[in-house]
Amino acid sequence: SQQGEEDPQALSIQEGENATMNCSYKTSINNLQWYRQNSGRGLVHLILIRSNEREKHSGRLRVTLDTSKKSSSLLITASRAADTASYFCATVYYGGATNKLIFGTGTLLAVQP
Amino acid sequence: EAQVTQNPRYLITVTGKKLTVTCSQNMNHEYMSWYRQDPGLGLRQIYYSMNVEVTDKGDVPEGYKVSRKEKRNFPLILESPSPNQTSLYFCASSPTRGVNTEAFFGQGTRLTVV
Repeated sequence: SQQGEEDPQALSIQEGENATMNCSYKTSINNLQWYRQNSGRGLVHLILIRSNEREKHSGRLRVTLDTSKKSSSLLITASRAADTASYFCATVYYGGATNKLIFGTGTLLAVQP
Repeated sequence: EAQVTQNPRYLITVTGKKLTVTCSQNMNHEYMSWYRQDPGLGLRQIYYSMNVEVTDKGDVPEGYKVSRKEKRNFPLILESPSPNQTSLYFCASSPTRGVNTEAFFGQGTRLTVV
């Protein structure tokens, strides 16, 4: 299976703390994306990092990509209760079907107020 | 407002009764796809379409059909639903055929087949 893996599967932190989630994947990629899903609802795109980029920022989000280790991390700084959600990484594989996203299994983040 | 709209949001049906889940996007996107989400398995692609009248199988196409007669619509058809198709379904669209684009997701359809 091409599916990626994320860890931890679940993470519980206090408001104001930082949350770090990791994603590993299996083959060469064009890009890696992170999505957020509030309970049972649609996925919302957070950030996209291309295979030739190593780090990217968007507001309180910081994403890193290490193609040699086939891994990425998502850091949410100064977390808020509203950040409580599931977070998924998704990859577009090099040479794969255009725009086909391969999703990881997700990290469930709970931010306690 | 730019969006992907799925209907219905919730559906309970019986085994073997044909059903259609509709998906419509108002962003003039070429690329559309269907995913199913199951606990512990993440999201898996069922079918995708790169343009009108162009569709292809994803990773888990068995038991599903799709059509793309118009650019904005991409319905998912279950000809004879079975309990193992009980799942949360998402439709998604992307702006172009380029690889470095984000996907826009609908709100999901929770299907239960009894």
